[in-house]
Formats: sequence, C-alpha cells, structure tokens
Amino acid sequence: DSGVTQTPKHLITATGQRVTLRCSPRSGDLSVYWYQQSLDQGLQFLIQYYNGEERAKGNILERFSAQQFPDLHSELNLSSLELGDSALYFCASSVGRQGLRDTQYFGPGTRLTVL
Amino acid sequence: TQLLEQSPQFLSIQEGENLTVYCNSSSVFSSLQWYRQEPGEGPVLLVTVVTGGEVKKLKRLTFQFGDARKDSSLHITAAQTGDTGLYLCAGGTGANSKLTFGKGITLSVRP
Repeated sequence: DSGVTQTPKHLITATGQRVTLRCSPRSGDLSVYWYQQSLDQGLQFLIQYYNGEERAKGNILERFSAQQFPDLHSELNLSSLELGDSALYFCASSVGRQGLRDTQYFGPGTRLTVL
Repeated sequence: TQLLEQSPQFLSIQEGENLTVYCNSSSVFSSLQWYRQEPGEGPVLLVTVVTGGEVKKLKRLTFQFGDARKDSSLHITAAQTGDTGLYLCAGGTGANSKLTFGKGITLSVRP
C-alpha cells in the first residue's frame, strides 16, 4: 500500500460525458501527479501540482483539467469523453522537493471505460 | 520529444534463469528510474540512478546507468516467480517533475 488513494476504482461512462477522478496523496506529500496509461501509448505524464499550484504540464488534452485543493487532495476532470480516453489513470504523490531523488508513490489507479 | 525504448517487449523464462533487459534513448537524462507494476496496481519504484556509469544492486537485481546517461540495463539473477510483472523505466530531467516512461517489458517467470 503506497498510501495514495484514488476513487473510484472503476468508471464506465458514455462518449460526450464528463467525469471526475479523485486522489488523496500520502500524508505529508505536497506534490500530486496525474498519469494516463494505455496499451498503445504506455504511461504518459499529464500534469503536476505542488501545494495547490500547477508546477509542470505534460501531454494533457484541453478537454482535461485538474486542480489541487487546500487539503492537498486533487481532482482530474475529463470532459467531452471519447472512446480513446479509455485508459488507466494514475495519481502519484511526492514530498515535492526539487531534486532527482524526489520519489513518486503511485496510487492503485482508476480504470475508465468510455462506451 | 524524449523517447525511451525498452527491450525486449516480452520475456518468458524459467525460474532460476538469469536475464538482462534494456532501456535506451537518444536523449540524455538527469536520472533514470526503474519501476515494477503488477496487474491492477500502480508502478512501484525499484531504484533511481543519477550518475553516468552508476551501478546499484537490490538483492538479485542489478541496475546500471550508461556512461552517457542515455541508457540503462536491469539484470536479474536467478529469477523467481515473484519477479513476474511489468518493468518500466522512466527518465527524469531537471527537477524530475516530468518523467518520461518507456512502454515497459512484460516479464513472466515460469515455475
């Protein structure tokens, strides 16, 4: 158990819909990261927040947005869903100090299926 | 765009055998990390290497970072069924926020 929690574990929805994925970081961690994992693309970094502020952005679509709240939990919002958005979505957290050894701890993921 | 190529993509071996898998890139990374992921779970960090030529050992696993910091290898001695899983390498740059992951190596160790 990494200490990172994600809800829900599974989500099935239809094209065009909007969903919200939730992540609670490990106690004491200030940084939250979101990743998408699909069979063809592998694990792709989407976005990072540190103490409520956006710190780094990866391959995140404009239809997707995220935020980190004062209690440090984070939400990833996916809108106008397409079939290709079906994937595993992981949240990770770290202490957030700058440096090469800032370890990211991954949650168990949310499996999103868009029908 | 930085890319990490992992090889082989799939590997099935007998318990007790040794194996080496690779992670290669044309880009230089500040750090290289290896993760193992089991079905239904998130990746778990195994090791971080940051110095060109660095070798780290974790029980039966030996990790090496290439001298030019563009590639890495993972060697497993006397594989066990518990080593089965997806092995991911990830390259970090700068503050390590934006990790670039390879697509992974699926390892199956047969009893």
